Amino acid sequence: GAVVSQHPSRVICKSGTSVKIECRSLDFQATTMFWYRQFPKKSLMLMATSNEGSKATYEQGVEKDKFLINHASLTLSTLTVTSAHPEDSSFYICSAPSGGGAVGTQYFGPGTRLTVL
Amino acid sequence: DQQVKQNSPSLSVQEGRISILNCDYTNSMFDYFLWYKKYPAEGPTFLISISSIKDKNEDGRFTVFLNKSAKHLSLHIVPSQPGDSAVYFCAASATNAGKSTFGDGTTLTVKP
Repeated sequence: GAVVSQHPSRVICKSGTSVKIECRSLDFQATTMFWYRQFPKKSLMLMATSNEGSKATYEQGVEKDKFLINHASLTLSTLTVTSAHPEDSSFYICSAPSGGGAVGTQYFGPGTRLTVL
Repeated sequence: DQQVKQNSPSLSVQEGRISILNCDYTNSMFDYFLWYKKYPAEGPTFLISISSIKDKNEDGRFTVFLNKSAKHLSLHIVPSQPGDSAVYFCAASATNAGKSTFGDGTTLTVKP
């Protein structure tokens, strides 16, 4: 099946620094990618939809200046958590719909565990 | 307003028995439903899906049932195996929306 990678898998940073997370579709092109955040024992919360060649679409309540998204190519989207604070600590997951999959099917990356000290 | 709900946060079953995971939704625009399986510290993986034009879809040990009038779907796993122990997310999407809405997940534990 389709493969989506994320880098890094785990990052620990100091409060106030910025962290960039990469999401790549390895064997297919993705004009759209989704960024999720998962809190412990909670569902995946959609943060934003990343669109290649245009601005990302953010869900209600998500600060676009805090979570910068850039969809640089058909295989790469990046999420930058700016001026990270401890409350930003979470598990961030990206996904991409595969054109060959069933409608609505998304292929997920392995996730990035962010810990802000 | 949570549009996709999985009311059971956890479920424990004996190996070999049936596991039934339930999901309810409120948005009548949803026309495609999916189940994902997730292990700790990993991204979810697609398991099985069903279109709103069907009421049942089967794939090996996994069967998804859809009751549109009740806005309810369920995932049946039979026979359950210890390797099935994971968090199962129900998701729903509208064809023209592109994105899916996820439930909170149900942690399934299959005991040997």
